[in-house]
Amino acid sequence: QKEVEQNSGPLSVPEGAIASLNCTYSDRVSQSFFWYRQYSGKSPELIMSIYSNGDKEDGRFTAQLNKASQYVSLLIRDSQPSDSATYLCAVNDRGSTLGRLYFGRGTQLTVWP
Amino acid sequence: DGGITQSPKYLFRKEGQNVTLSCEQNLNHDAMYWYRQDPGQGLRLIYYSQIVNDFQKGDIAEGYSVSREKKESFPLTVTSAQKNPTAFYLCASQVGPDGSVANTIYFGEGSWLTVV
Repeated sequence: QKEVEQNSGPLSVPEGAIASLNCTYSDRVSQSFFWYRQYSGKSPELIMSIYSNGDKEDGRFTAQLNKASQYVSLLIRDSQPSDSATYLCAVNDRGSTLGRLYFGRGTQLTVWP
Repeated sequence: DGGITQSPKYLFRKEGQNVTLSCEQNLNHDAMYWYRQDPGQGLRLIYYSQIVNDFQKGDIAEGYSVSREKKESFPLTVTSAQKNPTAFYLCASQVGPDGSVANTIYFGEGSWLTVV
């Protein structure tokens, strides 16, 4: 069973600050990494995917991947109250059954005005 | 609109009763999945199907059954053998096995099941 661990929350930041969300995974051969945002009572929404070491930026979001350290993070710049949600880290091993994502338990983020 | 449709959004089950959750997608995706989410927990895979008329058990398949008679449809039945079915159920789909983009999974809006 692959393990995906996320830093325990809840995480609370003021509006305009940078929120940093972290995730580690146990399977060294994992190839695909995803960050989903989930509002309370709603389904997860994909916000970032990353496959190669380094940084990937999309608007206010930056995903960082370090396969050697088995670590993936999500930075949210200029945090807004609308970013308040639970963020799920998910890992997919390309070598395993297609689409079999393994999820962390999520980190709850609150951005206060 | 293209997407994944789950129904019903809310469902109540009596003890000993089987219930079926519907999942339909018009994205022409090959693969479909059912996940279960409990409060404060991550998503856990129940069943998945990569092709019509074929499906595989996930990590928590006991007490559940599925069918994949059509590419667009992947219904989940929660049987009376599932002793703790109260949870949020998420259906998802994926393009197919080729290319990194195809690894992206998209979710339906979910179904809440409560035992009464």
